[in-house]
Amino acid sequence: QSVLTQPPSASGTPGQRVTISCSGSSSNIGSNTVNWYQQLPGTAPKLLIYSNNQRPSGVPDRFSGSKSGTSASLAISGLQSEDEADYYCATWDDSLSGWVFGGGTKLTVL
Amino acid sequence: EVQLVESGGGLVQPGGSLRLSCAASGFTFSSYAMHWVRQAPGKGLEYVSGISTNGGNTYYANSVKGRITISRDNSKNTLYLQMGSLRAEDMAVYYCARGTDMVHGRFDYWGQGTLVTVSS
Repeated sequence: QSVLTQPPSASGTPGQRVTISCSGSSSNIGSNTVNWYQQLPGTAPKLLIYSNNQRPSGVPDRFSGSKSGTSASLAISGLQSEDEADYYCATWDDSLSGWVFGGGTKLTVL
Repeated sequence: EVQLVESGGGLVQPGGSLRLSCAASGFTFSSYAMHWVRQAPGKGLEYVSGISTNGGNTYYANSVKGRITISRDNSKNTLYLQMGSLRAEDMAVYYCARGTDMVHGRFDYWGQGTLVTVSS
């Protein structure tokens, strides 16, 4: 049972917009920024979004993040086949004094 | 180019020990916190341990506390994870990741991972 709750799966067709949610509590998302990681099949995770809504250099602007209260969301617009991957949210938890991850969401491009 | 290369994984019996290494290059290693994150087969990411720039502060997940020690050698640009009393549930791919901060920030670069298999 992960501290942060994500839907196990999401899907969309090419060109669509999909969102992935990440729900936490006042001790984690509610008081710290959220990062998102993309893990393509068979590869290491890669930083996708940091500080709730910032994109590292090289990440397309089709990817965006937001946070409100104790929840965060990752949105992918103009969905492409290469976006098929697992997506994880993560943040620091003040109560646990440690980093916590969501359980991951497997995105399928139909 | 930032590179993180893990090594030291392999097959170990339950109760055994293993030391993982992460060789860093392409950046000033001593300026960054470093972390270990693991992923059991078919499962999600789990944070394991982190260490501050000079090694003075460390963090361990409750699941590994007392059995694992993180350390670093800034003169060798290398991060370590000494693992002991290994259990079946420790079997995973172990990734090292560069952290922009120990407590906050983000894991901005990851290694390719090293597989630890715990089995008799």
